[in-house]
Amino acid sequence: DVKVTQSSRYLVKRTGEKVFLECVQDMDHENMFWYRQDPGLGLRLIYFSYDVKMKEKGDIPEGYSVSREKKERFSLILESASTNQTSMYLCASSLAGGNYGYTFGSGTRLTVV
Amino acid sequence: RKEVEQDPGPFNVPEGATVAFNCTYSNSASQSFFWYRQDCRKEPKLLMSVYSSGNEDGRFTAQLNRASQYISLLIRDSKLSDSATYLCAVNQAGTALIFGKGTTLSVSS
Repeated sequence: DVKVTQSSRYLVKRTGEKVFLECVQDMDHENMFWYRQDPGLGLRLIYFSYDVKMKEKGDIPEGYSVSREKKERFSLILESASTNQTSMYLCASSLAGGNYGYTFGSGTRLTVV
Repeated sequence: RKEVEQDPGPFNVPEGATVAFNCTYSNSASQSFFWYRQDCRKEPKLLMSVYSSGNEDGRFTAQLNRASQYISLLIRDSKLSDSATYLCAVNQAGTALIFGKGTTLSVSS
C-alpha cells in the first residue's frame, strides 16, 4: 500500500512562529499536494509539486511556502503563523499525469494560539 | 467561483436503502473524475474513479454525464458502515484535483 506519512498528528503553535509541516511518501510518486480542510469550506489546495524542486501555487498560497528537495518529501512552511491558519492540513501524492487518484496522509491538525 | 458542487445533505437512510449523490462541475475541459470517502476525523480515501462508460464496484456504481457536466454515485443496499462523507473530485489537465465540499450520508438501523 502507498503510504503518505505526515510528521505530526496534532500541533499547537504560537502566533508569529515559523511552522514546518512534513510529508513523506514511499511509493516513488511524482506528484505531491498540500490541502487544508475547514468546516464548510471543504478541501482547498495550497501548493502542489510535479517534480523535485518544482512547485505550483494552488488556490490559497498566501502565507505559505513549500519545499521539495527530494522526491519523497514535500514540506509546507507557514512563514509567520496566524490564528486563521488553524486548520486540518492534508498532504497527498499521486503518480504523474492527471488520471490517478490521490493518496492522502492522515493529516495534521494545527492550532495557532 | 464554485467549480465543483455537491448537495451537502445530510442524507439519512435506513439500512438496505438505495441512495444516489450527484456532483456538478463547471469546467467542460475536466478530464478525470473521482469519488472519495471520508470518515469523521480521518483523511479522504479513494473510493472509485469515474469513467465515461460508467463503472461498478460491488454495491457502488459511478457514472459520468459529460453533456450535463455531472458525476453520480449510487449506493445500493446501504450498510451502517457506509455512513461517511462522500467527496467528488475533478481534474483538468495540468492542475490538481478540485474537491466538492462533500455529501454526508447517515445510514440507520
